[in-house]
Amino acid sequence: EPEVTQTPSHQVTQMGQEVILRCVPISNHLYFYWYRQILGQKVEFLVSFYNNEISEKSEIFDDQFSVERPDGSNFTLKIRSTKLEDSAMYFCASRQGTGRTNEKLFFGSGTQLSVL
Amino acid sequence: GNSVTQMEGPVTLSEEAFLTINCTYTATGYPSLFWYVQYPGEGLQLLLKATKADDKGSNKGFEATYRKETTSFHLEKGSVQVSDSAVYFCALSMNTGFQKLVFGTGTRLLVSP
Repeated sequence: EPEVTQTPSHQVTQMGQEVILRCVPISNHLYFYWYRQILGQKVEFLVSFYNNEISEKSEIFDDQFSVERPDGSNFTLKIRSTKLEDSAMYFCASRQGTGRTNEKLFFGSGTQLSVL
Repeated sequence: GNSVTQMEGPVTLSEEAFLTINCTYTATGYPSLFWYVQYPGEGLQLLLKATKADDKGSNKGFEATYRKETTSFHLEKGSVQVSDSAVYFCALSMNTGFQKLVFGTGTRLLVSP
């Protein structure tokens, strides 16, 4: 089965530093998402991206966050100035289309971000 | 807003035991319901889904029935195996817009031989 690939699997950074989390979605997919899970809490939606623009974002996704699809294959999440509370597992996901026949969302294995 | 509540874990069972993981939801409208599974070191994988009331999703011996009257989607398996040890997430999405998923907290299942 095709896979969503995320790198790195673990990222440690100092508070205030910028981090970029990278994802390679499945090649014919059109809809892209970032989710995160703080330890012991729910998996939370951050942002969805379609047609080279953000289609929806949550309250968590403030001005410190940005997403980009720079080259037609990678999909990145940037946090400009990390805070301690950004420590979480970040999941990238993609799907081919929407509607009941295209609901399957494919997830990557996640990047564990630790902010010290 | 829409939300999902699932039972806290860990759930610890012996091999061949019966499994139930409870999941209830709150939604405006009629969502699709999902169970995702995360094996150690891997991403979330779709286990099963149901898109309307009374639908039963099934896969790998797991089943869940969409119960509109009780707003529930409990996951069951008749006889668990050690290889079923994982974290199980209940989720919903509305069938409009970009269909973001709303997840529960996840329930860790540990199956011992």
